[in-house]
Amino acid sequence: GAVVSQHPSWVICKSGTSVKIECRSLDFQATTMFWYRQFPKQSLMLMATSNEGSKATYEQGVEKDKFLINHASLTLSTLTVTSAHPEDSSFYICSAIETTGYGYTFGSGTRLTVV
Amino acid sequence: KQEVTQIPAALSVPEGENLVLNCSFTDSAIYNLQWFRQDPGKGLTSLLLIQSSQREQTSGRLNASLDKSSGRSTLYIAASQPGDSATYLCAAGAGNMLTFGGGTRLMVKP
Repeated sequence: GAVVSQHPSWVICKSGTSVKIECRSLDFQATTMFWYRQFPKQSLMLMATSNEGSKATYEQGVEKDKFLINHASLTLSTLTVTSAHPEDSSFYICSAIETTGYGYTFGSGTRLTVV
Repeated sequence: KQEVTQIPAALSVPEGENLVLNCSFTDSAIYNLQWFRQDPGKGLTSLLLIQSSQREQTSGRLNASLDKSSGRSTLYIAASQPGDSATYLCAAGAGNMLTFGGGTRLMVKP
């Protein structure tokens, strides 16, 4: 099946520092990956669409300079939360489309806590 | 703009009951409808994917139906078990976009 690996699964960082989250498609190529944010007991909100070899497309209200996305290969997209603040604490999940029938496949998520 | 609604928001049932979770969407121009399961603090596990040309999909005790014209999908869980306790999310797919419902938090009591 289609597997998406996300790393790290959790991270605690100090306010003002940057954190990088990786999303890898393990057994398929993904020209497009997606980054979501989820607050406690809420559903997923799409932050941005990551396109291999081009700039990411951000949803309205998402600061592209704060949430840097790089999709340098067909199997890897990264999300960097720059100058993190406590309000950035959340659960971040990536996903990719597997085109042979599995639909959207999601990573296991990253719990970010900014202290 | 697509809007996806799930009813009920929460459900608590005794073990063994058959369940129906509802999902409605406002824009019927979808490519597919996907149901996911999310355990607390975890990512999403895909349960069933229904393409727009299909009416239903089945996997084990799960059956999902899709009625595009009415903007509805239902997830049927037969003979529920405590291990089914989780949040169930439906998502409507169009192009590269997935729009999620708010989820149904299911608790199956032994």
